[in-house]
Amino acid sequence: GESVGLHLPTLSVQEGDNSIINCAYSNSASDYFIWYKQESGKGPQFIIDIRSNMDKRQGQRVTVLLNKTVKHLSLQIAATQPGDSAVYFCAETSSGNTPLVFGKGTRLSVIA
Amino acid sequence: DAGVIQSPRHEVTEMGQEVTLRCKPISGHNSLFWYRQTMMRGLELLIYFNNNVPIDDSGMPEDRFSAKMPNASFSTLKIQPSEPRDSAVYFCASSLRGRSLEQYFGPGTRLTVT
Repeated sequence: GESVGLHLPTLSVQEGDNSIINCAYSNSASDYFIWYKQESGKGPQFIIDIRSNMDKRQGQRVTVLLNKTVKHLSLQIAATQPGDSAVYFCAETSSGNTPLVFGKGTRLSVIA
Repeated sequence: DAGVIQSPRHEVTEMGQEVTLRCKPISGHNSLFWYRQTMMRGLELLIYFNNNVPIDDSGMPEDRFSAKMPNASFSTLKIQPSEPRDSAVYFCASSLRGRSLEQYFGPGTRLTVT
C-alpha cells in the first residue's frame, strides 16, 4: 500500500544551526500533512500542518515546505536548540476522511 | 484541559494474562485513536472511533485485541491473552473531526509482557 517514508533516520546538528528534516510521501491523493515531535517518554506533539493548496507555511522557528510535484515534505527548524532534540514524524491524510499515516520518524540530535 | 489521559503509564504482566489499557480523550473531541509504537514497526494505527462508533479496526493485529468506547469520555484497549510480542508503547489520541485533523496524543502506556 501507499505509505509515508523518510529519507534520513538520524540527523545531528550543531546548536544554533538550522535543521532540515525530509519526508517523502507516495499517496498523490493526500492533501493534508502534519509534522509531529516526540520527545523521549512522551506522546507525539503537533508542531505544524500544511494543506496541499499551499507550498509553504511558517510557525515559530519552524517552516514546512511542500513540493507536490515530487511528493516531498520538509520541516525546517531555525536556530536549533537542545530542546529540539527528539524524533520527528511526518503524517498525511486525504481530505480528513482517512486516518493519518505516519512515517517512520527521524531522530534529531542537537550538539551543544 | 488536562489533555488525553491514559492509564496505567506502565504495565508489566506475564504471558497469558489479560491487559486492559484505558484512555480518556479531551472533552469535546469526537474521534479517538489507538496506536502501537515499536522500534521495528514505528507508529501503527490499531483502531479509531468517530462518535463512539468503531470506524476502522483493520490495524488490530489479532482477535486477542479488542477495543471499546462505551461513551464519549472513555475507551479501553484489551489484550487477552497477552504475549511477549505485544510489548510496546500504546498511545491514545483524540481529535475534533471536522474542525481540525490535528490529533492530540496521550503520554502512552508502556506494556511489557514477560
